[in-house]
Amino acid sequence: EVQLVQSGAEVKKPGESLKISCKGSGYSFTSYWIGWVRQMPGKGLEWMGIIYPGDSDTRYSPSFQGQVTISADKSISTAYLQWSSLKASDTAMYYCVRLESTHFDYWGQGTLVTVSS
Amino acid sequence: QSALTQPASVSGSPGQSITISCTGTSSDVGGYNYVSWYQQHPGKAPKLMIYEVSNRPSGVSNRFSGSKSGNTASLTISGLQAEDEADYYCSSYTSSSTPWVFGGGTKLTVL
Repeated sequence: EVQLVQSGAEVKKPGESLKISCKGSGYSFTSYWIGWVRQMPGKGLEWMGIIYPGDSDTRYSPSFQGQVTISADKSISTAYLQWSSLKASDTAMYYCVRLESTHFDYWGQGTLVTVSS
Repeated sequence: QSALTQPASVSGSPGQSITISCTGTSSDVGGYNYVSWYQQHPGKAPKLMIYEVSNRPSGVSNRFSGSKSGNTASLTISGLQAEDEADYYCSSYTSSSTPWVFGGGTKLTVL
């Protein structure tokens, strides 16, 4: 069974750093792109970026380029989304997704990030 | 502003059919048969309902169907049930600088 299991909810202060994770199982982790999707409170889905764990090729949405870093450790089948300096506007639910060529077929359960002073 | 345009809300009575539209451009919806639809219940992760315009993943009810004409894709739900009440998002591959885009989402209310 394919599963994407994300790390737990985080509460951080503005300016702090954060790295959240997404562990894939039940499939060949290095053969599928893994993406990240943001959902701000009460809002819609926003595509942030995507990584191919096989060779770490990474693409970012222009809206998120320079704001976050996407990485992966194929040895432990885990993808990451990190911030070096969080802002209150980063408060959102973040989902990791598996890209099956043309669509996102599996979604993680989501990681809620709350940034507040 | 989302790259793909969806109505903010639609509603229907149990047993009826509804259609949700998703309008883009020739650079996304109109240019590729890579439109997908996702259902999201409150507090839950989105779930894939339709891919490549009209294909249903295994386990998705055949009450859900998709189509496309020009730059507009559509999701039709027939025989509405209370459990269909949710938010629905379309997505498309795009030739722009961000290869995947979502619609703004449509809230479906089953009356």
